[in-house]
Amino acid sequence: GNSVTQMEGPVTLSEEAFLTINCTYTATGYPSLFWYVQYPGEGLQLLLKATKADDKGSNKGFEATYRKETTSFHLEKGSVQVSDSAVYFCALSEDAGNMLTFGGGTRLMVKP
Amino acid sequence: DTAVSQTPKYLVTQMGNDKSIKCEQNLGHDTMYWYKQDSKKFLKIMFSYNNKELIINETVPNRFSPKSPDKAHLNLHINSLELGDSAVYFCASSRGPMQYNEQFFGPGTRLTVL
Repeated sequence: GNSVTQMEGPVTLSEEAFLTINCTYTATGYPSLFWYVQYPGEGLQLLLKATKADDKGSNKGFEATYRKETTSFHLEKGSVQVSDSAVYFCALSEDAGNMLTFGGGTRLMVKP
Repeated sequence: DTAVSQTPKYLVTQMGNDKSIKCEQNLGHDTMYWYKQDSKKFLKIMFSYNNKELIINETVPNRFSPKSPDKAHLNLHINSLELGDSAVYFCASSRGPMQYNEQFFGPGTRLTVL
């Protein structure tokens, strides 16, 4: 079956530091890949997505590249802000219903 | 305007009770979902409906019964609540059931079973 593995948190950074959250996946087919963000007490919001190999998703300074050869979709941001503090989820979806398979989530804490 | 809304936001109840959570989307989407998030933040799909028809049921106990009266609504009824049902339940919707379709999530319903 499908699975997503992401680095365990919490990840604690100072403001303006570089962020990387690793994500690797296992899938039977050719999935679409997503990063979702969950702010405290809220639902999930799509941060970015990529639907085919070598696609780069980007939004709000965050980027991730779909790497089929390494089955990875690592999230990066060059300079984090306190407002980026949240839980980040890597996820994949394949056909047959578009059900999302999520990683365990990584909590990011950014200190001023 | 709220895209995906859920009611109630909080639900506290006793073991053995029956409860319902309602979900509505005003995005004109065809596909809706229920996810469960446990205390460790792990998220898992429960059900998916497309055009009011069930397309995914991820080995959820029979005590959970989703109902979709129309494409804009997907409600979740839970019978004989157990302690292990305590979690945050998220409703989501997408334009269709294809994998490239972004899912939009509701704010969640925190269910506590005492």
